[in-house]
Amino acid sequence: DAGVTQSPTHLIKTRGQQVTLRCSPKSGHDTVSWYQQALGQGPQFIFQYYEEEERQRGNFPDRFSGHQFPNYSSELNVNALLLGDSALYLCASSLTVNYGYTFGSGTRLTVV
Amino acid sequence: AQSVAQPEDQVNVAEGNPLTVKCTYSVSGNPYLFWYVQYPNRGLQFLLKYITGDNLVKGSYGFEAEFNKSQTSFHLKKPSALVSDSALYFCAVRVDTGGFKTIFGAGTRLFVKA
Repeated sequence: DAGVTQSPTHLIKTRGQQVTLRCSPKSGHDTVSWYQQALGQGPQFIFQYYEEEERQRGNFPDRFSGHQFPNYSSELNVNALLLGDSALYLCASSLTVNYGYTFGSGTRLTVV
Repeated sequence: AQSVAQPEDQVNVAEGNPLTVKCTYSVSGNPYLFWYVQYPNRGLQFLLKYITGDNLVKGSYGFEAEFNKSQTSFHLKKPSALVSDSALYFCAVRVDTGGFKTIFGAGTRLFVKA
């Protein structure tokens, strides 16, 4: 039973560029949440998708957007990248929000 | 404001000794509380959760956590620490902001010395 799969594992982008990160949830999970984890900090909630809609959003600008597909997989898009967007981006899936998350290993984004 | 706090940046303990990693929370309504562990360059792994019921919750790898409603705490414990327990530990709580999301503490780094 595959867990949460994220791609790519590492990415280097230039300021001003756009990036798309991908996530396949654990089999049977229908909810996907995205988190940003800066070095030495706890994960910060970006947004959550359920039934292909954004259900909850954290304090992130509109440059951060996402999508959920009918197979529950999800994408995180970041436009106009800033140096401060450099972080580990974590995808977490769950069966409703009442239960613990299963996390992917993350995508390490470096903006230069 | 709904929040979760981990008052210690780092906890040091000798192998074989008991360990405690502290967590306090502030939420409206009944809390749903979680502990996760993170190893270097990896995502977070679920350890245990409290939803309702017994205040002492048992989880993975011999960890347990004690829910204390009066002190609004959910401390992580293990009777005998292992060097392999050295990692970054996060407390998390589900909050209601018109929908539900899970927020995480800043993390506590645990060092277990042989």
